[in-house]
Amino acid sequence: GQQLNQSPQSMFIQEGEDVSMNCTSSSIFNTWLWYKQDPGEGPVLLIALYKAGELTSNGRLTAQFGITRKDSFLNISASIPSDVGIYFCAGQDSGGSNYKLTFGKGTLLTVNP
Amino acid sequence: KAGVTQTPRYLIKTRGQQVTLSCSPISGHRSVSWYQQTPGQGLQFLFEYFSETQRNKGNFPGRFSGRQFSNSRSEMNVSTLELGDSALYLCASGFMNTEAFFGQGTRLTVV
Repeated sequence: GQQLNQSPQSMFIQEGEDVSMNCTSSSIFNTWLWYKQDPGEGPVLLIALYKAGELTSNGRLTAQFGITRKDSFLNISASIPSDVGIYFCAGQDSGGSNYKLTFGKGTLLTVNP
Repeated sequence: KAGVTQTPRYLIKTRGQQVTLSCSPISGHRSVSWYQQTPGQGLQFLFEYFSETQRNKGNFPGRFSGRQFSNSRSEMNVSTLELGDSALYLCASGFMNTEAFFGQGTRLTVV
């Protein structure tokens, strides 16, 4: 089946630093989504990307849909302690249901105040 | 607008038993999908329902089943539980081809 390679697996940064994480796929996706999950909770949607090359921001978060449609990245600027959590990328393949998502393994972000 | 509601939040079952989990989607959303989350396998797609019809199914054994009611609420059932079924089960709802919004999940522990 499809595989999403998400990196890095974990990051430990100082408050105020910028963060970057990415996902690559062996297949083309129509949609890329980025979620954040806190312990014991469900994933919360951060950013949705629908077009190749699209660059979208949500506050301090910026994400891009790769031109090849096989990759995406998420940047977090000026990190704060509440950014701590696990970040997941998810892709929806062409021709499929929007709700059949393939997820990366996640990036665990720790922010040191 | 209320979010996706999953019940119960926590569940402990014994091997061999069966379990039913419930999901109420966001009002107006007709699509409900289910995912299993484990430390080893991550988030894996189980199945998706739209207007009471299963549209997609993931690579899980037949012990995993689901259904959707006319009010879009959905249930998933796992029969003959195994220790490996212990996981966080997540439900997501969506409207047409928009993003999927997740509930808080049901933590199932099989002992």
